[in-house]
Amino acid sequence: KQEVTQIPAALSVPEGENLVLNCSFTDSAIYNLQWFRQDPGKGLTSLLLIQSSQREQTSGRLNASLDKSSGRSTLYIAASQPGDSATYLCAVMGGSYIPTFGRGTSLIVHP
Amino acid sequence: DTGVSQDPRHKITKRGQNVTFRCDPISEHNRLYWYRQTLGQGPEFLTYFQNEAQLEKSRLLSDRFSAERPKGSFSTLEIQRTEQGDSAMYLCASSSTGAIVNTEAFFGQGTRLTVV
Repeated sequence: KQEVTQIPAALSVPEGENLVLNCSFTDSAIYNLQWFRQDPGKGLTSLLLIQSSQREQTSGRLNASLDKSSGRSTLYIAASQPGDSATYLCAVMGGSYIPTFGRGTSLIVHP
Repeated sequence: DTGVSQDPRHKITKRGQNVTFRCDPISEHNRLYWYRQTLGQGPEFLTYFQNEAQLEKSRLLSDRFSAERPKGSFSTLEIQRTEQGDSAMYLCASSSTGAIVNTEAFFGQGTRLTVV
């Protein structure tokens, strides 16, 4: 059974810092990995999708990398802003075609 | 198309009542997922459809839960005889299958259920 772990569980930083959020998974036989953002009481917003054949994806200040063989992904947020405050979730899709989620990293960026 | 739509956004019900939620996926998406999320947890998988076929159900989905996707378009999730432990955010997601790659999943805004 696939298990997804996200570290740290919570993070509080001053504005402007560069951040790294970590996601690890136990079964490396995945099709893709997706990072999401979730604001309190809201649904999930897709940030980045990395196919299993890719090493990284970038969107604006976000960069996600994937090391499938070691079961790890990182989400890098450059020059963090208070508007980045949210919970960040990663999900992996394997042979079942069902995304499996971690518990998320709760991020607070204070001015 | 404006994305995945869920209705209602909020539902308060008394214990023992039945509730039904609706999800309208992105129109060209053939996969549809239901998840449940409680405070501080990641979304937990409930069930999955490809077109109108329900391909997988989690053991979390007790016999009080039923989901349908008639005609492979919108889906409904019904909870019978609700219990306080059913209080959660119910999330719907959709994606499409590609010839080579699996595309990203898009989520709706969720239905917040409170059982009193």
